[in-house]
Amino acid sequence: GAGVSQSPSNKVTEKGKDVELRCDPISGHTALYWYRQSLGQGLEFLIYFQGNSAPDKSGLPSDRFSAERTGGSVSTLTIQRTQQEDSAVYLCASSLGQVTNTIYFGEGSWLTVV
Amino acid sequence: GIQVEQSPPDLILQEGANSTLRCNFSDSVNNLQWFHQNPWGQLINLFYIPSGTKQNGRLSATTVATERYSLLYISSSQTTDSGVYFCAVEASGTYKYIFGTGTRLKVLA
Repeated sequence: GAGVSQSPSNKVTEKGKDVELRCDPISGHTALYWYRQSLGQGLEFLIYFQGNSAPDKSGLPSDRFSAERTGGSVSTLTIQRTQQEDSAVYLCASSLGQVTNTIYFGEGSWLTVV
Repeated sequence: GIQVEQSPPDLILQEGANSTLRCNFSDSVNNLQWFHQNPWGQLINLFYIPSGTKQNGRLSATTVATERYSLLYISSSQTTDSGVYFCAVEASGTYKYIFGTGTRLKVLA
């Protein structure tokens, strides 16, 4: 596609439910990043993929968070047993190669846990 | 881990004014990028600038990696420049970008 596509754009879920957030990177981009941004705050690194591999998962806040990437393209971020503190914008970005290339962000998935 | 601090945290300008935003980082970095987050939340890449100077229209950026800082210059500011400016650095060998604390800019007409 022309840009990084994320879905859903908005999600309201009840505490304790599981959610899946999807990221479709720019075609041909091998590097993919997930970040989280709470209201009025900076960006918190979650995970980075190079191809289908995730060399660094250290940013995932807890074992309720997981992510996968298949076919070197689409990535899914899953949050199990959501908590109110998970409410945030989840941002996905991609770049052509490894970290030496310009990063392009999607518009984000706004998650609200009630 | 690496610390990335930006200054000033907040900035209000009159349209047409110039400004300099600063990004300091605590360790050696391989890569550095500047982003603008508009009032609707979209992050736009402004510069990929691990070292040296680049210019794009009214914006320019300089990174002095040996002294661990980068500067973003905005000249003849416009209301559309409002938003939050972030720098992001990749510490050597970590394969992840750490974002700074941001500078929130408001340009008044």
